Amino acid sequence: DTGVSQDPRHKITKRGQNVTFRCDPISEHNRLYWYRQTLGQGPEFLTYFQNEAQLEKSRLLSDRFSAERPKGSFSTLEIQRTEQGDSAMYLCASSSDWARDEQFFGPGTRLTVL
Amino acid sequence: DQQVKQNSPSLSVQEGRISILNCDYTNSMFDYFLWYKKYPAEGPTFLISISSIKDKNEDGRFTVFLNKSAKHLSLHIVPSQPGDSAVYFCAASARASGGSNYKLTFGKGTLLTVNP
Repeated sequence: DTGVSQDPRHKITKRGQNVTFRCDPISEHNRLYWYRQTLGQGPEFLTYFQNEAQLEKSRLLSDRFSAERPKGSFSTLEIQRTEQGDSAMYLCASSSDWARDEQFFGPGTRLTVL
Repeated sequence: DQQVKQNSPSLSVQEGRISILNCDYTNSMFDYFLWYKKYPAEGPTFLISISSIKDKNEDGRFTVFLNKSAKHLSLHIVPSQPGDSAVYFCAASARASGGSNYKLTFGKGTLLTVNP
């Protein structure tokens, strides 16, 4: 399968715990995005990587959130001290330089904070 | 502040008829527009796009129309099929002003149900 993959697909955690999600983009894509989707809303932009460089972060990304993309391949999104308001679907997308607008999305990681 | 608006949360049509999904935007910097389809438990799937220099783009059963002066776009599906039943998201990007970041701004989505 050459699509975008995300792991885990579901995560249930208790408030205050740390969680980490992984995204593996399409192999030749150098652009990687994280979005968050809550119930009844469309995906909202969180952060953007071009290769290993994190070039933009949304105001939605509080200090408790950190994202990395070592070596410009897979990416991780960590949430520290989770809060109930962090419950959402976290979507990863990737795109190539020759089709920059067409982002391919993974299946998402559904986070539930109890 | 919603920069991309899909004012119809749901739409129901009969198989074989036309489905028209609407989208409005407020940010005049948006210059590229996309439609994504989303099934439950899956990520959004790219469907069709249009640049602001065009007013129509067609791909098989799917046609997107753009009215820049009205800041409005629509997706037409003809003929509609039961397999088209999904949530449709309108999205926009500001290519010219966004630097290297082609982040997408999404609407809230419209649930399309095509009845057999």
